[in-house]
Amino acid sequence: KAGVTQTPRYLIKTRGQQVTLSCSPISGHRSVSWYQQTPGQGLQFLFEYFSETQRNKGNFPGRFSGRQFSNSRSEMNVSTLELGDSALYLCASSGTGLSYEQYFGPGTRLTVT
Amino acid sequence: TQLLEQSPQFLSIQEGENLTVYCNSSSVFSSLQWYRQEPGEGPVLLVTVVTGGEVKKLKRLTFQFGDARKDSSLHITAAQPGDTGLYLCAGGDSGNTPLVFGKGTRLSVIA
Repeated sequence: KAGVTQTPRYLIKTRGQQVTLSCSPISGHRSVSWYQQTPGQGLQFLFEYFSETQRNKGNFPGRFSGRQFSNSRSEMNVSTLELGDSALYLCASSGTGLSYEQYFGPGTRLTVT
Repeated sequence: TQLLEQSPQFLSIQEGENLTVYCNSSSVFSSLQWYRQEPGEGPVLLVTVVTGGEVKKLKRLTFQFGDARKDSSLHITAAQPGDTGLYLCAGGDSGNTPLVFGKGTRLSVIA
């Protein structure tokens, strides 16, 4: 089976712009979670989608949003980018109904200047 | 709020040495996962433990879940440069709640 794919791998944006990141889960996986990883804070949970519904949400401002499509592919959007949004954004899919045993993609490295 | 504390934060050792990294919490978890992340890549799942006292081995890596399911350890025997990376532990609760991740132990094995 192909692994989790994320596009793009690298992105440079300017403060105030918005960005959309894409994630394709492992075939058959219905749960997709998004994480932000920074050197200081580690891996922080953004949100999880299961069967097109947001099932869990982390403690991030409303500028961070996401959605999931009927084929389980997911997108996350960050509006009004801030310098502090520079991070590695990771997507993970899970094959069971439960959220553990996450299979991660390679991530999108976002740099905000 | 559930938290997972990992120690040490950084570890630099010579090839062939043994090491243990720890993952501790005051909360009980129904499962605990260990991941390894290499630079520029996403974390890769190494193992899941679900039973208190459980020990799992993956080649030179030995994982243990504490009896009370609040802590875990990862022991590497005869470390090799290929073991270099960021080791993350993550705790899972029952039901559909998100995993809680520790901040990781960054291991460097020098040839």
